[in-house]
Amino acid sequence: SYELTQPPSVSVSPGQTASITCSGDNLGDKFTSWYQQKPGQSPVLVIYQDSSRPSGIPERFSGSNSGNKATLTISGTQTMDEADYYCQAWDSSTTLYVFGTGTKVTV
Amino acid sequence: EVQLVESGGGLVQPGGSLRLSCAASGFDFSNYEMNWVRQAPGKGLEWVSYITSRGTTIHYADSVRGRFTISRDNAKNSLYLQMSSLRAEDTAVYFCASAGIAAALDYWGQGTLVTVSS
Repeated sequence: SYELTQPPSVSVSPGQTASITCSGDNLGDKFTSWYQQKPGQSPVLVIYQDSSRPSGIPERFSGSNSGNKATLTISGTQTMDEADYYCQAWDSSTTLYVFGTGTKVTV
Repeated sequence: EVQLVESGGGLVQPGGSLRLSCAASGFDFSNYEMNWVRQAPGKGLEWVSYITSRGTTIHYADSVRGRFTISRDNAKNSLYLQMSSLRAEDTAVYFCASAGIAAALDYWGQGTLVTVSS
């Protein structure tokens, strides 16, 4: 089965840049999304189609996807960005969803 | 305003059954693909099942195939998950989520807790 691997944790100082990676075989061939989840809350979509931001998501969130790795970048990280982040890939040939292992971002 | 409201969770014994519901409002439910995603206590997200807008195509995660059944009633703007032969490892918060552009899960419900224990 397809697997997506993320670092368990990332620590960043306020105002600095946080980069969260998501690794999977030929991930660049699939659509990748990113979700933010704060304790006790439902996940929130922050990036879709590799690098697009939904309405209402701050510009400091950006994404990229190439080769075997997708990356979520948070520029000028704020304390409110402290949360768990999950990548997710969708394989159009099988219509199956896979979530990454999740990364806890500490600001 | 888009709303997804899950219900039907609770405590069930191993081997038992439970039916979850997800009531949708604020968008054209009949034109959206839908999913169930679960999260065990203190764990990550796990995709469970997917259904197309008309219910013609359905997929399941290997961990639930043969035990869970996803369905929908577009006339009632509702999504369902019939769960049977429940196991302790099925204990989780179950979320329903709509699928938008590039299959991103753009709206999520608040979740309903299913606890499988004797």
